[in-house]
Amino acid sequence: GAVVSQHPSRVICKSGTSVKIECRSLDFQATTMFWYRQFPKKSLMLMATSNEGSKATYEQGVEKDKFLINHASLTLSTLTVTSAHPEDSSFYICSAKVRASSYNEQFFGPGTRLTVL
Amino acid sequence: RKEVEQDPGPFNVPEGATVAFNCTYSNSASQSFFWYRQDCRKEPKLLMSVYSSGNEDGRFTAQLNRASQYISLLIRDSKLSDSATYLCVVRVNQGGKLIFGQGTELSVKP
Repeated sequence: GAVVSQHPSRVICKSGTSVKIECRSLDFQATTMFWYRQFPKKSLMLMATSNEGSKATYEQGVEKDKFLINHASLTLSTLTVTSAHPEDSSFYICSAKVRASSYNEQFFGPGTRLTVL
Repeated sequence: RKEVEQDPGPFNVPEGATVAFNCTYSNSASQSFFWYRQDCRKEPKLLMSVYSSGNEDGRFTAQLNRASQYISLLIRDSKLSDSATYLCVVRVNQGGKLIFGQGTELSVKP
């Protein structure tokens, strides 16, 4: 099946720093990538939908200035958590949808565990 | 009301047991339905899509009742390796976002 990678897999940072997470589709082109956040024992919550070459669409309650998304190519989307605080500590997961296909499955990356001290 | 709601867990069952998970969704316009499996600290992985006629994949059977807006997953002859959190997932339209239920944790014991 299609492969999506995320980097880094784990990051620990001090409060106030910014953290960038990369999501790459390794063997397919993805016009659309999705960013989710998952708190412990909770379900995945969609944060934003990232379309290549255009601005991301954020879900209600997600601050676009706090969570910067860039989808510069058909294989790469980045999420930057700006001025991270302890409450931003979470598991961030991206997914990618195959380009121009009737096949609508989303392929998930392995996730990035962010801990803000 | 949550958009996708699942049985609260955890379910603790012995090996070989049959276990059923239930899920309801609130948006009657939902078009696509899935069950995902998520292991601890890992990403969710598609277990199976759910079709109106019901579908089976080995020990797993999924059913959909559109009138009741209800989805189920039945696992027969459960194995230790089935231990995971099972996520009920709904999509409203083609290409649209996935809406996840809160998940039901399953623990299969020897």
